[in-house]
Amino acid sequence: EVQLVQSGAEVKKPGESLKISCKASGYKFTYYWIAWVRQMPGKGLEWMGIIYPDDSDPTYSPSLQGQAVISADKSISTAYLQWNSLEASDTAMYYCARLRGYTYGPDYWGQGTLVTVSS
Amino acid sequence: QSVLTQPPSVSAAPGQKVTISCSGSSSNIGNNYVSWFQHLPGTAPKLLIYDNNKRPSGIPDRFSASKSDTSATLGITGLQTGDEADYYCGTWDSGLSAWLFGGGTKLTVL
Repeated sequence: EVQLVQSGAEVKKPGESLKISCKASGYKFTYYWIAWVRQMPGKGLEWMGIIYPDDSDPTYSPSLQGQAVISADKSISTAYLQWNSLEASDTAMYYCARLRGYTYGPDYWGQGTLVTVSS
Repeated sequence: QSVLTQPPSVSAAPGQKVTISCSGSSSNIGNNYVSWFQHLPGTAPKLLIYDNNKRPSGIPDRFSASKSDTSATLGITGLQTGDEADYYCGTWDSGLSAWLFGGGTKLTVL
């Protein structure tokens, strides 16, 4: 059974750093792309970027480039989303998802990680 | 404002049928496969339709979809209260080299 299990909710202050995770199981991690998707409060789903775990080369959405860093560790089948300096506007639910192919979209999703940034 | 345009909300009575539209352009829907997702906020989105009109195993045939030119449509028949959720279309945009989601449509089953 394919599963993507994300790390738990986080509450951070502006300027702090954060790394959230997405652990995959039930399939060959290096065979599929992983995407990160953001949902800000009261808003829709936004594509942040993708990574191919076999070479860990991320591609970012043009509209969200530079806001966070996507990485992966294939030795432990885990993808990450990381911020060096959080802002209040980073408050959102973040989902990881497995892609059927580079342009084919998600088929399995993680349960989401709620990130709250507040002073 | 999303590149893929969906109505903000639709509603229908239990047992009835509803359709949700998704309008794009030649750089996205017109030349790429469309997927549809069901999402209850705070939970994992669920893939309902992929490759324009295919249902993953476990998705009932009450859910169907089609694509024509630069638009796509999701149809849900035999509406149930459990179908109340947000529905998103999604597709690759060849110009942006990025996946796009529509703005989402909130389905209310009256």
